[in-house]
Amino acid sequence: GNSVTQMEGPVTLSEEAFLTINCTYTATGYPSLFWYVQYPGEGLQLLLKATKADDKGSNKGFEATYRKETTSFHLEKGSVQVSDSAVYFCALSDSGYSTLTFGKGTMLLVSP
Amino acid sequence: DADVTQTPRNRITKTGKRIMLECSQTKGHDRMYWYRQDPGLGLRLIYYSFDVKDINKGEISDGYSVSRQAQAKFSLSLESAIPNQTALYFCATSSLAGVNTGELFFGEGSRLTVL
Repeated sequence: GNSVTQMEGPVTLSEEAFLTINCTYTATGYPSLFWYVQYPGEGLQLLLKATKADDKGSNKGFEATYRKETTSFHLEKGSVQVSDSAVYFCALSDSGYSTLTFGKGTMLLVSP
Repeated sequence: DADVTQTPRNRITKTGKRIMLECSQTKGHDRMYWYRQDPGLGLRLIYYSFDVKDINKGEISDGYSVSRQAQAKFSLSLESAIPNQTALYFCATSSLAGVNTGELFFGEGSRLTVL
């Protein structure tokens, strides 16, 4: 079956530091890949997505590239802000978008 | 107003009680989902529905039931609540149409505590 593995947190960074959150997946076929973000006290919201190999999703300074050869979709940001403190979830869906499978989430804490 | 609304937002109940969590949406989406979030376990799918006459079990459906009363409404019931059902519950919707294909839109969550 499908599965998503992401690095455990919390990830603690100072403002303006470089961020990487690793995500690898196992899936049959050609899944679409997503990063969702959950700010404190809120539901999840889509951060970015990629639907095929070598696609790069980007939003709000965050980027992730769909790497089929390494089955990875690592999230990066060049300079984090305190407002980026949240929990980040990597997820995949099958080609029919029937359901999404989520990783366990990675908490990011950014200090001033 | 939120596009996906969950009620109640917080609920404390006792073991053995019947609980219903309700979800309504104004996005016009056909697909609706119930997820459960636990610390360190991420989100796990309980039930999902692709239209009013379609109900499907997710990976952790035991102890739960659902009802899709209308396209816009999807409720989750715990027939006899137990303490390990204490969690944060999320409703979500999606559509296969347009640029947001496959994207899930989440409600703000319902925190349930079973004593």
